[in-house]
Amino acid sequence: GESVGLHLPTLSVQEGDNSIINCAYSNSASDYFIWYKQESGKGPQFIIDIRSNMDKRQGQRVTVLLNKTVKHLSLQIAATQPGDSAVYFCAENGSGGGADGLTFGKGTHLIIQP
Amino acid sequence: DTAVSQTPKYLVTQMGNDKSIKCEQNLGHDTMYWYKQDSKKFLKIMFSYNNKELIINETVPNRFSPKSPDKAHLNLHINSLELGDSAVYFCASSLGGSSYEQYFGPGTRLTVT
Repeated sequence: GESVGLHLPTLSVQEGDNSIINCAYSNSASDYFIWYKQESGKGPQFIIDIRSNMDKRQGQRVTVLLNKTVKHLSLQIAATQPGDSAVYFCAENGSGGGADGLTFGKGTHLIIQP
Repeated sequence: DTAVSQTPKYLVTQMGNDKSIKCEQNLGHDTMYWYKQDSKKFLKIMFSYNNKELIINETVPNRFSPKSPDKAHLNLHINSLELGDSAVYFCASSLGGSSYEQYFGPGTRLTVT
């Protein structure tokens, strides 16, 4: 249950700057990782995912980097906007396929300052 | 159109009561889940169902009983509610199989007094 870990920091960045949110995981058997964004009062919303056969994947303004050697995952958000303010979670898959559910990290609160 | 919906959004009740939370998904997914999010925002899986069959039952008190009348619905019934049950409960769904991406509902905030 605790294999995906984040401290629960608050990351504060200026609007327009880039932000990087980090995540460490301990289960070397995990082969799928996903980032979710949770705004206040809402459910987690998919941002981007990556499989273990990749080390980088890009989306719109977001990039996920995976370093399997040190079991580290990061989410980069470019040109942050006020709407990016939320709690961000990394998660990894269980060992039994999609029905196993995801193991979530503890979340990072991203605050975008004007 | 809401992909994953939950009712009610808020639920306030007293200790010892029995309550249910309903979840429906219109995505045609085979797998549905219940997660609990505590006051520190930690999300933990409780149950997963695939095609109406229970796949995962994490260490959850047997006061919690999921029920899946069909693969589009997964309801959560809680007996003898306790103070520690206060949390936000999220329903989610996914295609299942090798697909891990999950779609979450808006959550139900349960407060037990």
